Amino acid sequence: DTEVTQTPKHLVMGMTNKKSLKCEQHMGHRAMYWYKQKAKKPPELMFVYSYEKLSINESVPSRFSPECPNSSLLNLHLHALQPEDSALYLCASSQDSGGDNEQFFGPGTRLTVL
Amino acid sequence: AQTVTQSQPEMSVQEAETVTLSCTYDTSESDYYLFWYKQPPSRQMILVIRQEAYKQQNATENRFSVNFQKAAKSFSLKISDSQLGDAAMYFCAYRGRFTGNMLTFGGGTRLMVKP
Repeated sequence: DTEVTQTPKHLVMGMTNKKSLKCEQHMGHRAMYWYKQKAKKPPELMFVYSYEKLSINESVPSRFSPECPNSSLLNLHLHALQPEDSALYLCASSQDSGGDNEQFFGPGTRLTVL
Repeated sequence: AQTVTQSQPEMSVQEAETVTLSCTYDTSESDYYLFWYKQPPSRQMILVIRQEAYKQQNATENRFSVNFQKAAKSFSLKISDSQLGDAAMYFCAYRGRFTGNMLTFGGGTRLMVKP
């Protein structure tokens, strides 16, 4: 299984809602990532988990809260988002944090904040 | 800090022809990895090809090959015998060997393939 899955595919939420994005992989990878991607732009790194511990937080606002319950799962909890947070949220995983390890990307969750 | 530049926001190619996408980067590191990722419309981003900086030989994967010029900090992607399915956004990316997990992406090139 060389797949990273993400749910939901699409999400529409109001600025007062609380929602969560979910990412799952069963490749035995120990590094997992959240990226934000605006239209026609490259992905921007948000968070990196390495061996279930948060290793990189790219100065992301606290309204985004990541969680790594186990080595296969990665969540992104959303609360009090702004319309400018509307974007494609990509999850990725790699074998570990080594330089040449390929990152496998999920299909993304397209988030719209009203 | 590392930067990656893709100077062609859009490119088009006739089916069966060859196209080259440009990428330049700036780094002070001596050992690193370079990648080309493909993101088709509404589909998953996938790795097309990777190059290790210490390897002088250019990487090749079927119809995809790179021209890696380390001194010039250039890493172009050549697609031969272009197919309709090659239409996508292509991102060049850099990752330092010893600087952890971070991929630095270029701005992307949208490739259109004309039948």
